Amino acid sequence: DQQVKQNSPSLSVQEGRISILNCDYTNSMFDYFLWYKKYPAEGPTFLISISSIKDKNEDGRFTVFLNKSAKHLSLHIVPSQPGDSAVYFCAASVNDYKLSFGAGTTVTVRA
Amino acid sequence: DAMVIQNPRYQVTQFGKPVTLSCSQTLNHNVMYWYQQKSSQAPKLLFHYYDKDFNNEADTPDNFQSRRPNTSFCFLDIRSPGLGDAAMYLCATSPMGGRAADTQYFGPGTRLTVL
Repeated sequence: DQQVKQNSPSLSVQEGRISILNCDYTNSMFDYFLWYKKYPAEGPTFLISISSIKDKNEDGRFTVFLNKSAKHLSLHIVPSQPGDSAVYFCAASVNDYKLSFGAGTTVTVRA
Repeated sequence: DAMVIQNPRYQVTQFGKPVTLSCSQTLNHNVMYWYQQKSSQAPKLLFHYYDKDFNNEADTPDNFQSRRPNTSFCFLDIRSPGLGDAAMYLCATSPMGGRAADTQYFGPGTRLTVL
């Protein structure tokens, strides 16, 4: 049963514009949410996270928004750069060591 | 640089022929994980070690086994691979204590092909 869903398998955006990646979850017990970034031939790397007690967390060009009532989170990348082209995974956990992942969204930043 | 290493990067095996994938880490992390990721799907946790304690996910097939002889190494054994086991296998580590969810370090993965 897929508890974390990324419904958009791909996103294409022009360099300099905003990239918005979306993620929905079904388990209301999730209390921590993360985004991972993955380049080809490399493992996923941690990008940014947010606790369920917050609704926004910002780190440079990356901002994650959490809407608990809608069980929805999003990742904003502003401005998008060519090096941001990668697969982005949404993940969530319930106060333990296990992560539940989404299927990923492939972002392509066009010059 | 401290890292998580997976060998081999590509593994081809025959239907039913046992195969072992390996993972090593120089991070000295206590927790190690194995994930299976099929094409265009989410990584799925198979099991994890909390130090020496083995934790199997309820839906992990019996065909999958794991060994962790020491802190640095962890192995994934697939006793009788089927065509459905073709996937990318990701190893990850995290330190014990605190919130492990945001400190998982992943290896590059081993892509398994079953003929």
